[in-house]
Amino acid sequence: SSELTQDPAVSVALGQTVRITCQGDSLRSYYASWYQQKPGQAPVLVIYGKNNRPSGIPDRFSGSSSGNTASLTITGAQAEDEADYYCNSRDSSGNHAVFGGGTQLTVL
Amino acid sequence: QVQLQESGPGLVKPSQTLSLTCTVSGGSISSGSYYWSWIRQPAGKGLEWIGRIYTSGSTNYNPSLKSRVTISVDTSKNQFSLKLSSVTAADTAVYYCARARYNWNDVCFDYWGQGTLVTVSS
Repeated sequence: SSELTQDPAVSVALGQTVRITCQGDSLRSYYASWYQQKPGQAPVLVIYGKNNRPSGIPDRFSGSSSGNTASLTITGAQAEDEADYYCNSRDSSGNHAVFGGGTQLTVL
Repeated sequence: QVQLQESGPGLVKPSQTLSLTCTVSGGSISSGSYYWSWIRQPAGKGLEWIGRIYTSGSTNYNPSLKSRVTISVDTSKNQFSLKLSSVTAADTAVYYCARARYNWNDVCFDYWGQGTLVTVSS
């Protein structure tokens, strides 16, 4: 079983704000990274570290963390944001990586 | 721009060994403080980290797969490889290679291969 827990599915109205969460004990020590995956494609890194976006990722994507919960917020969701989102962090040992089970985002 | 490309058989028989290679282009596998990783995804399911290797040869594996996994690196060819032994149908998945950046307080996978489907079937 995954050490990071995500809600299986979330929906948001077009143009509205949505928060996708990830819970796990290791998040008390490590930041989460977030990935967007569209059908048939490899995951794409969208947020890493405290709240960093790789080049080319729109600024409507942001990250935050509190206690054992990390969050990915999409402010003004677009149709092209419909995808699966995965969180990732180190495990409690620090030597291994773990992924959350993923959240399927639907943009209505 | 770093690019990664997986290669290897798409069909493996049960009980045999799955072997994949990831070729890195656009930069030396030895440059920078990166770990080179394998991640897999069964159809319709989530991502599972398999393990990582540093160019020194140091490795770490997912505890659930550790007894069956070997990751190696060939810096002269700018490649790293995965071997998974005693495979079963449960190992059927898309296998990705990826570059990992480990900082003191996080990890992220910033470059990924396109993925390769490996099916375990007789």
